[in-house]
Amino acid sequence: QKEVEQDPGPLSVPEGAIVSLNCTYSNSAFQYFMWYRQYSRKGPELLMYTYSSGNKEDGRFTAQVDKSSKYISLFIRDSQPSDSATYLCAMSKGAQKLVFGQGTRLTINP
Amino acid sequence: DAGITQSPRHKVTETGTPVTLRCHQTENHRYMYWYRQDPGHGLRLIHYSYGVKDTDKGEVSDGYSVSRSKTEDFLLTLESATSSQTSVYFCAISDRGLDNEQFFGPGTRLTVL
Repeated sequence: QKEVEQDPGPLSVPEGAIVSLNCTYSNSAFQYFMWYRQYSRKGPELLMYTYSSGNKEDGRFTAQVDKSSKYISLFIRDSQPSDSATYLCAMSKGAQKLVFGQGTRLTINP
Repeated sequence: DAGITQSPRHKVTETGTPVTLRCHQTENHRYMYWYRQDPGHGLRLIHYSYGVKDTDKGEVSDGYSVSRSKTEDFLLTLESATSSQTSVYFCAISDRGLDNEQFFGPGTRLTVL
């Protein structure tokens, strides 16, 4: 079993929809949680970063961490075609190394 | 891409040949990482460095070696390339080792025939 599980999709939604992306994990030692966005043939770029449980909002993006359920989410409101990308969750125990999910490919249809 | 360049950006080589990929940063970050990205596997850590001449293995280090003689450069070497090493390779940097926000380069697409 992988330490971090993420549904690879693909996920296709109409423009303006609310998108929910999720990851589950098995190691309760993870403390730092990140979401990366990766456009086709580009490197991943850091989108959201959270520490421990709770919510964090940045514009149309909200990251949620539920450590009791070992579950993290990324919500995208008012989705735009420019949000079409692969979204990777990543997490760390605080020991210089990140563990990544497989990535979810998202398409926003105009 | 946060002051990170990778070279070459594309390479095609033959099985059994040595290959060296270079990562160069202008951010003076302490930590540098090499990942490979493959369908169905996501990003997997090959090797990382926590300072000049200080390196350690990641989860998929077999067949790869690294060197870091200067803060700004981190080299990944495939001593004898195999077809299973066909992949996209990403370099990443971080200056916060504990909570580990990492910033990625543009990637190198390597094909081993």
